[in-house]
Amino acid sequence: GAVVSQHPSWVICKSGTSVKIECRSLDFQATTMFWYRQFPKQSLMLMATSNEGSKATYEQGVEKDKFLINHASLTLSTLTVTSAHPEDSSFYICSAEGLAIINEQFFGPGTRLTVL
Amino acid sequence: GQQLNQSPQSMFIQEGEDVSMNCTSSSIFNTWLWYKQDPGEGPVLLIALYKAGELTSNGRLTAQFGITRKDSFLNISASIPSDVGIYFCAGPPQGAQKLVFGQGTRLTINP
Repeated sequence: GAVVSQHPSWVICKSGTSVKIECRSLDFQATTMFWYRQFPKQSLMLMATSNEGSKATYEQGVEKDKFLINHASLTLSTLTVTSAHPEDSSFYICSAEGLAIINEQFFGPGTRLTVL
Repeated sequence: GQQLNQSPQSMFIQEGEDVSMNCTSSSIFNTWLWYKQDPGEGPVLLIALYKAGELTSNGRLTAQFGITRKDSFLNISASIPSDVGIYFCAGPPQGAQKLVFGQGTRLTINP
């Protein structure tokens, strides 16, 4: 149980384009999902908290107009990187918090974004 | 912001050795989580701790929630090659839903 999937697993795009990343909880419902980014050899940095049916809460320094988050259902959250630039290249990981145990987050496999 | 201090940052050991890593915080945590991350993958939850003093095992892994609620450790006994990876401690600051992560401990095993 508690499986989280992400799609795509990797994406290469040109500078200026937008990229959408999907995060799904496959066998449980998640009212809250989280989006992280991770640079090489660094820890995970929380970007935003996504709550089903409401606006996402962004961490300080994260541009909400650049990283659009939509949590339309209890099993799906999407992150759209708008007008991507090379500095947005990173490993993006989502996690979902189960309904049964608060604070226990289950992570997706990550999406490697490379912006040329 | 809130940070967890994790040490050591890296470890190079021989196969079969035991491993110990720890995590400390300047403030109280009500939950401690230990994750392992393989290259190019998302973190996988190893052990979750919810009570001060709690000692929990998962196979060769043992983790403890410190009595002061400001620290936790993870031990791996009789390491094997598949233990290689980065181990992260994490926890929610009091009253917060989000997690903060330690800097990670990179484990390398020499066969």
